[in-house]
Amino acid sequence: KAGVTQTPRYLIKTRGQQVTLSCSPISGHRSVSWYQQTPGQGLQFLFEYFSETQRNKGNFPGRFSGRQFSNSRSEMNVSTLELGDSALYLCASSLSSGGNQPQHFGDGTRLSIL
Amino acid sequence: DQQVKQNSPSLSVQEGRISILNCDYTNSMFDYFLWYKKYPAEGPTFLISISSIKDKNEDGRFTVFLNKSAKHLSLHIVPSQPGDSAVYFCAADWGGGKIIFGKGTRLHILP
Repeated sequence: KAGVTQTPRYLIKTRGQQVTLSCSPISGHRSVSWYQQTPGQGLQFLFEYFSETQRNKGNFPGRFSGRQFSNSRSEMNVSTLELGDSALYLCASSLSSGGNQPQHFGDGTRLSIL
Repeated sequence: DQQVKQNSPSLSVQEGRISILNCDYTNSMFDYFLWYKKYPAEGPTFLISISSIKDKNEDGRFTVFLNKSAKHLSLHIVPSQPGDSAVYFCAADWGGGKIIFGKGTRLHILP
């Protein structure tokens, strides 16, 4: 069974640009969550989608947005990039939500802002 | 405000001995607690979880203990093996797909 796939693996952008990251969940998984990992802050929850609806959102500015398609694939968009957005962005999928359904992570997209 | 805290950034343990990783939390509303393991350049991998209504869960070499009165959980790895060297994240599940992670503990297994 294929795991969670994130593309691209690496991305370099400049300040002010916008970026779209993609996540393909494990087949049959309907919940997709996004996280930002930085050395100082660890893994921080961005948002979660289930059946194309955002159900939960973390404490990030509106520049961070996402969506989920009918096939459960998800995209995350960051507009007006800032230097502090440099991070590893991780996507995780699960059958549904809840701790009895642990999340399975992709290997992430490393975003560098110059 | 950190709701899930891992106060030890790193830990070194001799191969074959027990590794004990600790985690504290502040919110008694969490439903589940989870441990993830992460190697460099890879995403976190789920290890083991425990429901808030239990105090122990075991899976092979891995055992998680939950002390609700102290708002504390720990992961025991027995015996420790070289492949266990990684960063371990403690996490708490709010429900609805939102998981709060600690900042991680880097475990070094010494030969």
